[in-house]
Amino acid sequence: SQQGEEDPQALSIQEGENATMNCSYKTSINNLQWYRQNSGRGLVHLILIRSNEREKHSGRLRVTLDTSKKSSSLLITASRAADTASYFCATDAQTDSWGKLQFGAGTQVVVTP
Amino acid sequence: DVKVTQSSRYLVKRTGEKVFLECVQDMDHENMFWYRQDPGLGLRLIYFSYDVKMKEKGDIPEGYSVSREKKERFSLILESASTNQTSMYLCASSLDSFSGNTIYFGEGSWLTVV
Repeated sequence: SQQGEEDPQALSIQEGENATMNCSYKTSINNLQWYRQNSGRGLVHLILIRSNEREKHSGRLRVTLDTSKKSSSLLITASRAADTASYFCATDAQTDSWGKLQFGAGTQVVVTP
Repeated sequence: DVKVTQSSRYLVKRTGEKVFLECVQDMDHENMFWYRQDPGLGLRLIYFSYDVKMKEKGDIPEGYSVSREKKERFSLILESASTNQTSMYLCASSLDSFSGNTIYFGEGSWLTVV
């Protein structure tokens, strides 16, 4: 079953602008991760935020987590053409996890020069 | 760097054929996964393995089986390929079954069943 759902499904911005995408999930989690996928390639891990954290930064990435709303957001600041990719949130459920992650359908981001 | 290698990048198979997708990881990870990715549906877990010869069904195991005879190798088997199994298949691995591990993905195998 799909745990996370990203919003919007697609996002088109210009270089230098910020890109924000959201993720909602259904059940209680241990942590939430964001991954990036370039077209036709595998996924690459970007950042992890634990359930007891509210905000985390990594370079131009900022992730927030609101466990009361079961939602997270990923902000990419000062976007570049190279940020063009699909972005997925993935959750690690508190029960019956075994280290498995449930992925959403992704947000496709296009950054134009 | 962790490397997850999927042996075939692109495959075309006929309906009814038995198909093997092979995956090898080089970091002594305990967990290995097979996901299927389809447009609009994201990644769906087919099977995962937390140890040699151990396997657990994921969300969509029907029509698939797996084999893990060695720790570094995890194979996905389509016993009798059907056109609705045309998809991108992603193999992945992680250190162990504890929470918070990063999952490392291979580059994917594009399977077309005709």
